[in-house]
Amino acid sequence: RKEVEQDPGPFNVPEGATVAFNCTYSNSASQSFFWYRQDCRKEPKLLMSVYSSGNEDGRFTAQLNRASQYISLLIRDSKLSDSATYLCVVRTPGTYKYIFGTGTRLKVLA
Amino acid sequence: NAGVTQTPKFQVLKTGQSMTLQCAQDMNHNSMYWYRQDPGMGLRLIYYSASEGTTDKGEVPNGYNVSRLNKREFSLRLESAAPSQTSVYFCASTPTRQGYYEQYFGPGTRLTVT
Repeated sequence: RKEVEQDPGPFNVPEGATVAFNCTYSNSASQSFFWYRQDCRKEPKLLMSVYSSGNEDGRFTAQLNRASQYISLLIRDSKLSDSATYLCVVRTPGTYKYIFGTGTRLKVLA
Repeated sequence: NAGVTQTPKFQVLKTGQSMTLQCAQDMNHNSMYWYRQDPGMGLRLIYYSASEGTTDKGEVPNGYNVSRLNKREFSLRLESAAPSQTSVYFCASTPTRQGYYEQYFGPGTRLTVT
């Protein structure tokens, strides 16, 4: 089993739709979780940190489910500009190392 | 405040040539990282430096060396480039203070080895 797994997609959704991605992680001791956005041939950019209580930033909501060992990202009212690859990142506990998922590709259609 | 900068942006090398990729950050971050990204593979850690004066191997260190020159700069050297090292290389930094673990990335170096 991979340490961090994501559905590669693509998820093709119409503008205005709500879309959700999940990411599973294998190390139950993991403490820090993040969602990054990566546009084609660009660097990953931090979208959100994921807190135990869940957190929201505008149209984006992140949740952590420790019992089932997954994190989720919900995007409401999708915009064309949301089209990108979304990377799930987990920090290996007790280290300075991070494990990246291979990403979920989202295409928002007009 | 430039964040994380990388040079060069693009490079083409012949097999066996050497080169150094440069990375600098102006955010006073403690930890710095080098990753490579290949299609379908996600980002893989090559080397990292938890703090000034320390470096450690990541998942794919073979064929690379690093130097943490000071708190700001972390360079990656390819001593004898091979076609398998064709990739996009990203440098990242992290504050690594209690509660602050987000990574910030440079724009990347696109390297082709022929």
